[in-house]
Amino acid sequence: DVKVTQSSRYLVKRTGEKVFLECVQDMDHENMFWYRQDPGLGLRLIYFSYDVKMKEKGDIPEGYSVSREKKERFSLILESASTNQTSMYLCASSFNREKINEQFFGPGTRLTVL
Amino acid sequence: AQSVAQPEDQVNVAEGNPLTVKCTYSVSGNPYLFWYVQYPNRGLQFLLKYITGDNLVKGSYGFEAEFNKSQTSFHLKKPSALVSDSALYFCAVREVNTGGFKTIFGAGTRLFVKA
Repeated sequence: DVKVTQSSRYLVKRTGEKVFLECVQDMDHENMFWYRQDPGLGLRLIYFSYDVKMKEKGDIPEGYSVSREKKERFSLILESASTNQTSMYLCASSFNREKINEQFFGPGTRLTVL
Repeated sequence: AQSVAQPEDQVNVAEGNPLTVKCTYSVSGNPYLFWYVQYPNRGLQFLLKYITGDNLVKGSYGFEAEFNKSQTSFHLKKPSALVSDSALYFCAVREVNTGGFKTIFGAGTRLFVKA
């Protein structure tokens, strides 16, 4: 089974702090994604990556950055956390960009910014 | 631009009754369509997908979905609901012809199955 793990299930940070969310997948997937999930808004894509050191902006990249130094790891960085970044963050991976594969999701990190 | 609509925030159904969770989409080319489920305190899980071929797609846990091109719909169905089907369901679409890479998710529909 594909396993996507996220470093924390719950996280509480203060406004202005730099926040790192880590995601690791164990199936050699090329593609990795970061979403945020908010009630009534579904999932919104923040950033994605289809290769090591490659990244593409999603629909809501402002206030976020990402890093993919190794194939299995995709990190989401909140440079200076703000209260409107309080949300559930979901990481996902999929096989490769040429094939239409489903995404495999991690359990999520619920981030609260005070 | 591609989009997905799930017109119902919530669907209530009695155990043993058939269930339908609705989804409509808008793309300029041919769509790839997906359904995902999110159980409480868990990440999303893939249920089924439509790429091409038969309009009726069968997936996990007894779910199926019907692709209707003329109505641009991809409704999720199950003949007999279980209490354990209570969860949040997301429809998603990826556009094919433009070579786009993004998958767009709907806002989600919460399904309550009552015993």
